Amino acid sequence: SQTIHQWPATLVQPVGSPLSLECTVEGTSNPNLYWYRQAAGRGLQLLFYSVGIGQISSEVPQNLSASRPQDRQFILSSKKLLLSDSGFYLCAWSLSGAIYEQYFGPGTRLTVT
Amino acid sequence: AQSVTQPDIHITVSEGASLELRCNYSYGATPYLFWYVQSPGQGLQLLLKYFSGDTLVQGIKGFEAEFKRSQSSFNLRKPSVHWSDAAEYFCAVGAVYGGATNKLIFGTGTLLAVQP
Repeated sequence: SQTIHQWPATLVQPVGSPLSLECTVEGTSNPNLYWYRQAAGRGLQLLFYSVGIGQISSEVPQNLSASRPQDRQFILSSKKLLLSDSGFYLCAWSLSGAIYEQYFGPGTRLTVT
Repeated sequence: AQSVTQPDIHITVSEGASLELRCNYSYGATPYLFWYVQSPGQGLQLLLKYFSGDTLVQGIKGFEAEFKRSQSSFNLRKPSVHWSDAAEYFCAVGAVYGGATNKLIFGTGTLLAVQP
């Protein structure tokens, strides 16, 4: 069966510091991968998605970036965090090629102080 | 453009009572529809999905949803709510972009509280 992991689970970072969140998927190959952010009291905002290694599409202009160095690894990064980057970050995967349900990881709670 | 509306931000029901959470979508073609549930501090769990066929879809945890094309709705129902159902519920519509990518457009969620 497939599983998705995210780490760290929680993170407290000062403004201006770098960020690296990691997501890995097991039990499937060539998945579509997604990064979402969920701010307090708001819905899910799609940040990035990837259909393959090195292929990243950005949905929202921001100071965040994403990379996919391996088939089942998705990384969310920032060089300098802003207060507005605080939120709950969710990674998800789906089968590729058509519309399929997405499966979500447990999330990372990021607080920028 | 595709969109999903969940008109109820917060709903409170008594344990044992029936539940209906509303979802309306806007999509030009046949929609692919989903309901997810999120407990506090956790990721989203898929409850059920509709792709085609029978318009009444059964999901996990005793939930069901009915697709009504004429009303552009996909409401989630449960005949008897349990205290453990307290969570936030998200409706989503799937869309294909660029042939190889699918995205989900999420509603803003409905927070369900269950009274004893």
